[in-house]
Amino acid sequence: SAVISQKPSRDICQRGTSLTIQCQVDSQVTMMFWYRQQPGQSLTLIATANQGSEATYESGFVIDKFPISRPNLTFSTLTVSNMSPEDSSIYLCSVGTSGGPAKQYFGPGTRLTVT
Amino acid sequence: GESVGLHLPTLSVQEGDNSIINCAYSNSASDYFIWYKQESGKGPQFIIDIRSNMDKRQGQRVTVLLNKTVKHLSLQIAATQPGDSAVYFCAEGQNAGGTSYGKLTFGQGTILTVHP
Repeated sequence: SAVISQKPSRDICQRGTSLTIQCQVDSQVTMMFWYRQQPGQSLTLIATANQGSEATYESGFVIDKFPISRPNLTFSTLTVSNMSPEDSSIYLCSVGTSGGPAKQYFGPGTRLTVT
Repeated sequence: GESVGLHLPTLSVQEGDNSIINCAYSNSASDYFIWYKQESGKGPQFIIDIRSNMDKRQGQRVTVLLNKTVKHLSLQIAATQPGDSAVYFCAEGQNAGGTSYGKLTFGQGTILTVHP
């Protein structure tokens, strides 16, 4: 399985500011995903980060609020823009394997608190 | 959209007992299902997966059962240990060629607590 790291591991931010979360993988992967996990809840997919093209967003998530970069096959960033307390969540990146059941492996997450 | 849900939000067992965590799904187009374990402060950890053309798969101390007739998935943990205490999520996805390839839809989650 791939080794995935995220930076920062946690942060406390003021409303109205933006935070960029980094996701680094130790091997080249085709598929990278960003999820949000609100307190005490399950994971919700934000978007699929596509290398060399714009991210594909799920219903309820927009690029202006969650811009994503994917400059190469080992790295991606998610920015949470113009934050409000409702954005307080754990943000997780994951990587998928190709062929067969697409097992996804997750990073440790970034715990964001917006005050 | 389609969703994956769980019957029980919490489960408490004694160390050494067998645990069964259940999951109901609604998307009949799902090609595979995955169980994840999430410990406090960590990302979900892959446990085991099963293809939709199978009804049972075994791993180390874990067994996943799939009943497509009633759209039900379960995770059985044998001889549960305190280290098994975590939140368990089921997730479903589609193979290549499906419009949702690679994307996972997660269920609600079950909190498993193992008492020594």
